[in-house]
Amino acid sequence: QVQLQESGPGLVKPSETLSLTCSVSGASIASYYWSWIRQSPGKGLEWIGYIYYSGGSKSNPSLNSRVTMSIDTSKNQFSLSLTSVTTADTALYFCARSGGYNYHFDFWGQGSLVTVSS
Amino acid sequence: EIVLTQSPGTLSLSPGERATLSCRASQSVSDRYLAWYQQKPGQAPRLLIYDASRRATGIPDRFSGSGSGTDFTLTISRLEPEDFAVYYCQQYGSSSPYTFGQGTKLEIK
Repeated sequence: QVQLQESGPGLVKPSETLSLTCSVSGASIASYYWSWIRQSPGKGLEWIGYIYYSGGSKSNPSLNSRVTMSIDTSKNQFSLSLTSVTTADTALYFCARSGGYNYHFDFWGQGSLVTVSS
Repeated sequence: EIVLTQSPGTLSLSPGERATLSCRASQSVSDRYLAWYQQKPGQAPRLLIYDASRRATGIPDRFSGSGSGTDFTLTISRLEPEDFAVYYCQQYGSSSPYTFGQGTKLEIK
């Protein structure tokens, strides 16, 4: 069974960098596309970006300049960094799998709540 | 960016009834690349339908999807108690960016 698990700090200070990792089990990270999606009361579900095994990535233009993603095939993990956070970045952050470029999300992690506050 | 508008915002029905949820796109969704997800409190979204009308693995056949272009529908033929949740549509035909609807809450009447 495919499982994804987010991990990272639950509290980040304004202007600092939010960092999360998604650990994947039951599937090879080298075979799919891997996304970050967040959910907040104000903005609903928002796709942040995806990365795939070669390290290629694409992110939402609304966040483009602040997003960096990386992938570690040896650990079957991928990561998100979001710089210069504000309170608007407070959200439940999910990682999810898709089969490729124009594919739906078939497996999701349970989510990691990140609060931006001083 | 493709904006998805779901209606109604809240749908109040009884178990056994038929539910019809709508998702309208601001521009055509290419190749019917539209999915529906179900989300219950404290849980991640669960894939129900992809490519507008294909049921995901393990999804009961009371769930069906239809539509193309800018108008899509999720139908639940006979509501079971476990179907009361929030439903989201999502388009993945335009990668810049992938977008979600704002959700329809299906509540027990």
